[in-house]
Amino acid sequence: AQRVTQPEKLLSVFKGAPVELKCNYSYSGSPELFWYVQYSRQRLQLLLRHISRESIKGFTADLNKGETSFHLKKPFAQEEDSAMYYCALSGRENFNKFYFGSGTKLNVKP
Amino acid sequence: DGGITQSPKYLFRKEGQNVTLSCEQNLNHDAMYWYRQDPGQGLRLIYYSQIVNDFQKGDIAEGYSVSREKKESFPLTVTSAQKNPTAFYLCASSDIRDLAYNEQFFGPGTRLTVL
Repeated sequence: AQRVTQPEKLLSVFKGAPVELKCNYSYSGSPELFWYVQYSRQRLQLLLRHISRESIKGFTADLNKGETSFHLKKPFAQEEDSAMYYCALSGRENFNKFYFGSGTKLNVKP
Repeated sequence: DGGITQSPKYLFRKEGQNVTLSCEQNLNHDAMYWYRQDPGQGLRLIYYSQIVNDFQKGDIAEGYSVSREKKESFPLTVTSAQKNPTAFYLCASSDIRDLAYNEQFFGPGTRLTVL
């Protein structure tokens, strides 16, 4: 069964510290992984997708098929990174259907 | 501001009543979705539609119904059969032709409270 697991509900770090938000998935086909972010009083929006292999706002994420993980990382957290982060999964077999994790709230302290 | 609109922002309903949540998009997207967002549970898919006059059940479709008579509109009805309807509801759309950059665009949400 398709499943996305984000083990941390809340992650608190100090400004300037490294950040890693964990995401593990279960999918039988060819997965496509995404990170979505929801800042306070804003809409949920795409942060990055593994297929693009890009860095957005200093965040990167590498798809590790062996470990079925797609952890989100940033070397130096900023206060404006405080938000709710969702890992999401789709697949080439049904690219129109998405599965979301339960979310991790990142709190960056000054 | 184009994109996806949802109305109303807040909705109150008495037990036993059906209520319909509106979702409209002007992005010319073929696919539209309804999610339910509960604290600690993330987003759960209720229904999705890839084309006009067609839709599929998601993981928690029981107690909900949808229609897709127009490409721009995908209303969700929360029926009295839904056991725990109080939640935040999100609508989204995506361009199914853009396989390389498959992205969902979300509306602002509707918070439904059953009194």
